Amino acid sequence: AQSVTQLDSQVPVFEEAPVELRCNYSSSVSVYLFWYVQYPNQGLQLLLKYLSGSTLVKGINGFEAEFNKSQTSFHLRKPSVHISDTAEYFCAVSLQNTGGFKTIFGAGTRLFVKA
Amino acid sequence: NAGVTQTPKFQVLKTGQSMTLQCAQDMNHEYMSWYRQDPGMGLRLIHYSVGAGITDQGEVPNGYNVSRSTTEDFPLRLLSAAPSQTSVYFCASSDRVVGDTQYFGPGTRLTVL
Repeated sequence: AQSVTQLDSQVPVFEEAPVELRCNYSSSVSVYLFWYVQYPNQGLQLLLKYLSGSTLVKGINGFEAEFNKSQTSFHLRKPSVHISDTAEYFCAVSLQNTGGFKTIFGAGTRLFVKA
Repeated sequence: NAGVTQTPKFQVLKTGQSMTLQCAQDMNHEYMSWYRQDPGMGLRLIHYSVGAGITDQGEVPNGYNVSRSTTEDFPLRLLSAAPSQTSVYFCASSDRVVGDTQYFGPGTRLTVL
Protein backbone atom coordinates (compact mmCIF):
# COMPACT_ATOMS: atom_id res chain seq x y z
CA ALA A 1 0.00 0.00 0.00
CA GLN A 2 1.12 3.53 -0.67
CA SER A 3 1.84 5.90 2.20
CA VAL A 4 3.42 9.25 2.97
CA THR A 5 5.21 9.90 6.24
CA GLN A 6 6.16 13.32 7.46
CA LEU A 7 8.67 12.64 10.17
CA ASP A 8 8.09 15.76 12.26
CA SER A 9 4.69 16.99 13.37
CA GLN A 10 6.07 20.33 14.57
CA VAL A 11 9.29 22.19 13.78
CA PRO A 12 10.13 25.33 15.77
CA VAL A 13 12.95 27.43 14.34
CA PHE A 14 14.36 30.91 14.79
CA GLU A 15 14.01 33.53 12.08
CA GLU A 16 16.85 33.47 9.50
CA ALA A 17 17.85 29.94 10.46
CA PRO A 18 17.78 27.09 7.91
CA VAL A 19 15.04 24.49 8.04
CA GLU A 20 14.41 21.01 6.64
CA LEU A 21 11.00 19.35 6.67
CA ARG A 22 11.26 15.63 6.06
CA CYS A 23 9.02 13.47 3.89
CA ASN A 24 9.30 9.78 3.07
CA TYR A 25 6.95 7.76 0.91
CA SER A 26 6.33 4.16 -0.03
CA SER A 27 4.93 3.04 -3.36
CA SER A 28 5.33 0.13 -5.76
CA VAL A 29 4.58 2.36 -8.77
CA SER A 30 6.06 5.60 -10.02
CA VAL A 31 4.86 8.69 -8.22
CA TYR A 32 4.76 12.40 -8.67
CA LEU A 33 5.72 14.39 -5.56
CA PHE A 34 4.37 17.64 -4.19
CA TRP A 35 4.76 20.02 -1.29
CA TYR A 36 1.81 22.23 -0.38
CA VAL A 37 1.60 25.00 2.21
CA GLN A 38 -1.46 25.93 4.26
CA TYR A 39 -1.59 29.30 5.99
CA PRO A 40 -4.05 29.69 8.88
CA ASN A 41 -7.70 29.44 7.85
CA GLN A 42 -6.85 29.00 4.18
CA GLY A 43 -6.79 26.21 1.63
CA LEU A 44 -3.61 24.55 0.44
CA GLN A 45 -1.42 26.05 -2.24
CA LEU A 46 1.43 24.52 -4.20
CA LEU A 47 5.01 25.18 -3.09
CA LEU A 48 6.75 22.92 -5.58
CA LYS A 49 6.48 19.60 -7.39
CA TYR A 50 8.65 16.89 -8.89
CA LEU A 51 7.43 15.19 -12.04
CA SER A 52 10.66 14.10 -13.74
CA GLY A 53 14.12 15.36 -14.65
CA SER A 54 16.39 17.16 -12.22
CA THR A 55 16.01 15.82 -8.70
CA LEU A 56 16.46 19.27 -7.17
CA VAL A 57 13.27 21.26 -7.49
CA LYS A 58 12.91 24.94 -6.70
CA GLY A 59 9.61 26.41 -5.62
CA ILE A 60 8.07 29.64 -4.46
CA ASN A 61 9.21 31.71 -1.48
CA GLY A 62 12.79 30.37 -1.61
CA PHE A 63 11.89 26.75 -0.86
CA GLU A 64 13.50 23.79 -2.60
CA ALA A 65 13.22 20.01 -2.34
CA GLU A 66 15.33 17.09 -3.44
CA PHE A 67 13.92 13.82 -4.73
CA ASN A 68 15.96 10.82 -3.59
CA LYS A 69 14.64 7.70 -5.28
CA SER A 70 16.85 5.23 -3.41
CA GLN A 71 15.74 6.59 -0.05
CA THR A 72 12.19 7.32 -1.24
CA SER A 73 12.41 10.79 0.24
CA PHE A 74 11.42 14.29 -0.81
CA HIS A 75 12.67 16.64 1.90
CA LEU A 76 11.83 20.34 1.80
CA ARG A 77 14.48 22.94 2.66
CA LYS A 78 14.88 26.67 3.02
CA PRO A 79 18.25 28.26 3.84
CA SER A 80 16.80 31.20 5.82
CA VAL A 81 13.22 31.31 7.11
CA HIS A 82 11.02 34.31 7.79
CA ILE A 83 8.24 34.83 10.29
CA SER A 84 5.83 34.72 7.35
CA ASP A 85 6.81 31.09 6.65
CA THR A 86 4.90 30.02 9.75
CA ALA A 87 2.32 27.60 8.34
CA GLU A 88 1.53 23.92 7.95
CA TYR A 89 3.33 22.04 5.19
CA PHE A 90 2.03 18.91 3.49
CA CYS A 91 3.93 16.41 1.41
CA ALA A 92 1.84 14.50 -1.15
CA VAL A 93 2.26 11.80 -3.79
CA SER A 94 0.13 11.39 -6.88
CA LEU A 95 -0.06 8.04 -8.64
CA GLN A 96 -2.13 5.68 -10.72
CA ASN A 97 -2.46 1.98 -10.02
CA THR A 98 -4.97 -0.81 -10.44
CA GLY A 99 -7.04 0.77 -7.68
CA GLY A 100 -7.50 3.95 -9.68
CA PHE A 101 -6.14 7.43 -9.27
CA LYS A 102 -4.85 8.63 -5.93
CA THR A 103 -3.26 11.58 -4.24
CA ILE A 104 -2.04 10.70 -0.78
CA PHE A 105 -1.15 13.41 1.72
CA GLY A 106 1.11 13.20 4.72
CA ALA A 107 -0.17 14.25 8.14
CA GLY A 108 1.49 17.65 7.88
CA THR A 109 4.37 19.48 9.59
CA ARG A 110 3.64 22.66 11.46
CA LEU A 111 6.53 25.10 11.00
CA PHE A 112 6.72 27.78 13.67
CA VAL A 113 9.22 30.57 13.06
CA LYS A 114 10.24 32.52 16.15
CA ALA A 115 11.68 36.03 16.24
CA ASN B 1 -10.94 34.11 -12.46
CA ALA B 2 -12.22 33.05 -9.03
CA GLY B 3 -10.46 29.65 -9.01
CA VAL B 4 -12.18 27.18 -6.67
CA THR B 5 -15.03 28.48 -4.54
CA GLN B 6 -16.79 26.71 -1.68
CA THR B 7 -19.94 27.52 0.24
CA PRO B 8 -20.72 27.79 3.06
CA LYS B 9 -17.58 28.71 5.01
CA PHE B 10 -19.04 27.48 8.30
CA GLN B 11 -21.92 25.16 9.12
CA VAL B 12 -23.35 23.64 12.28
CA LEU B 13 -25.64 20.62 11.96
CA LYS B 14 -27.49 18.39 14.35
CA THR B 15 -26.99 14.64 14.19
CA GLY B 16 -29.19 13.16 11.48
CA GLN B 17 -29.55 16.32 9.40
CA SER B 18 -28.51 16.37 5.76
CA MET B 19 -26.85 19.09 3.80
CA THR B 20 -24.90 19.83 0.63
CA LEU B 21 -21.49 21.48 0.48
CA GLN B 22 -21.09 23.39 -2.74
CA CYS B 23 -17.93 23.53 -4.85
CA ALA B 24 -17.37 25.30 -8.16
CA GLN B 25 -14.34 25.99 -10.35
CA ASP B 26 -13.94 28.26 -13.35
CA MET B 27 -10.70 26.84 -14.76
CA ASN B 28 -12.34 24.19 -16.95
CA HIS B 29 -10.58 21.44 -14.99
CA GLU B 30 -11.66 17.86 -15.59
CA TYR B 31 -10.55 16.49 -12.25
CA MET B 32 -12.25 17.51 -9.01
CA SER B 33 -12.05 16.02 -5.55
CA TRP B 34 -13.27 16.37 -2.00
CA TYR B 35 -11.03 15.97 1.04
CA ARG B 36 -11.57 16.16 4.75
CA GLN B 37 -8.89 17.49 7.05
CA ASP B 38 -8.66 16.30 10.64
CA PRO B 39 -5.92 17.17 13.15
CA GLY B 40 -2.85 14.96 12.79
CA MET B 41 -4.29 13.07 9.83
CA GLY B 42 -3.55 15.32 6.88
CA LEU B 43 -6.09 15.32 4.06
CA ARG B 44 -8.08 12.23 3.24
CA LEU B 45 -9.83 11.78 -0.08
CA ILE B 46 -13.61 11.33 0.13
CA HIS B 47 -14.73 11.21 -3.51
CA TYR B 48 -13.34 12.35 -6.81
CA SER B 49 -14.46 12.92 -10.38
CA VAL B 50 -12.46 12.66 -13.60
CA GLY B 51 -15.09 14.47 -15.66
CA ALA B 52 -18.77 15.30 -15.94
CA GLY B 53 -20.87 12.23 -15.20
CA ILE B 54 -17.96 10.23 -13.75
CA THR B 55 -17.33 9.88 -10.02
CA ASP B 56 -15.49 7.40 -7.83
CA GLN B 57 -14.83 6.73 -4.18
CA GLY B 58 -11.76 7.78 -2.33
CA GLU B 59 -10.35 6.63 0.98
CA VAL B 60 -13.26 7.63 3.27
CA PRO B 61 -16.50 7.71 1.22
CA ASN B 62 -19.00 6.37 3.76
CA GLY B 63 -21.76 8.83 4.63
CA TYR B 64 -21.13 11.05 1.62
CA ASN B 65 -22.53 11.26 -1.90
CA VAL B 66 -21.36 13.23 -4.91
CA SER B 67 -22.51 13.95 -8.43
CA ARG B 68 -20.92 15.78 -11.35
CA SER B 69 -23.51 17.03 -13.83
CA THR B 70 -21.31 19.85 -15.18
CA THR B 71 -17.57 20.43 -15.49
CA GLU B 72 -17.80 23.40 -13.10
CA ASP B 73 -19.71 22.01 -10.12
CA PHE B 74 -19.02 19.15 -7.74
CA PRO B 75 -21.34 19.17 -4.69
CA LEU B 76 -20.80 16.93 -1.67
CA ARG B 77 -23.87 15.65 0.14
CA LEU B 78 -23.97 14.48 3.72
CA LEU B 79 -26.86 12.06 3.93
CA SER B 80 -27.37 11.86 7.71
CA ALA B 81 -24.77 13.86 9.60
CA ALA B 82 -22.85 12.24 12.46
CA PRO B 83 -20.44 13.80 14.99
CA SER B 84 -17.61 11.84 13.31
CA GLN B 85 -18.13 14.04 10.25
CA THR B 86 -17.07 17.14 12.16
CA SER B 87 -14.12 18.31 10.09
CA VAL B 88 -12.84 20.87 7.61
CA TYR B 89 -13.77 20.00 4.04
CA PHE B 90 -11.74 21.06 1.03
CA CYS B 91 -12.64 20.87 -2.61
CA ALA B 92 -9.84 20.79 -5.18
CA SER B 93 -9.51 20.72 -8.95
CA SER B 94 -6.75 20.03 -11.45
CA ASP B 95 -6.32 19.83 -15.18
CA ARG B 96 -5.19 16.21 -15.16
CA VAL B 97 -5.83 13.37 -12.78
CA VAL B 98 -2.26 12.40 -12.01
CA GLY B 99 0.79 14.60 -11.71
CA ASP B 100 -0.92 17.95 -11.94
CA THR B 101 -1.13 20.75 -9.38
CA GLN B 102 -4.35 20.72 -7.39
CA TYR B 103 -6.06 24.05 -6.71
CA PHE B 104 -7.89 24.15 -3.41
CA GLY B 105 -10.90 26.07 -2.24
CA PRO B 106 -10.89 27.97 1.08
CA GLY B 107 -12.64 25.16 2.93
CA THR B 108 -15.88 24.58 4.84
CA ARG B 109 -15.69 24.09 8.61
CA LEU B 110 -18.47 21.70 9.61
CA THR B 111 -19.53 20.92 13.15
CA VAL B 112 -22.04 18.15 13.85
CA LEU B 113 -23.59 18.23 17.30
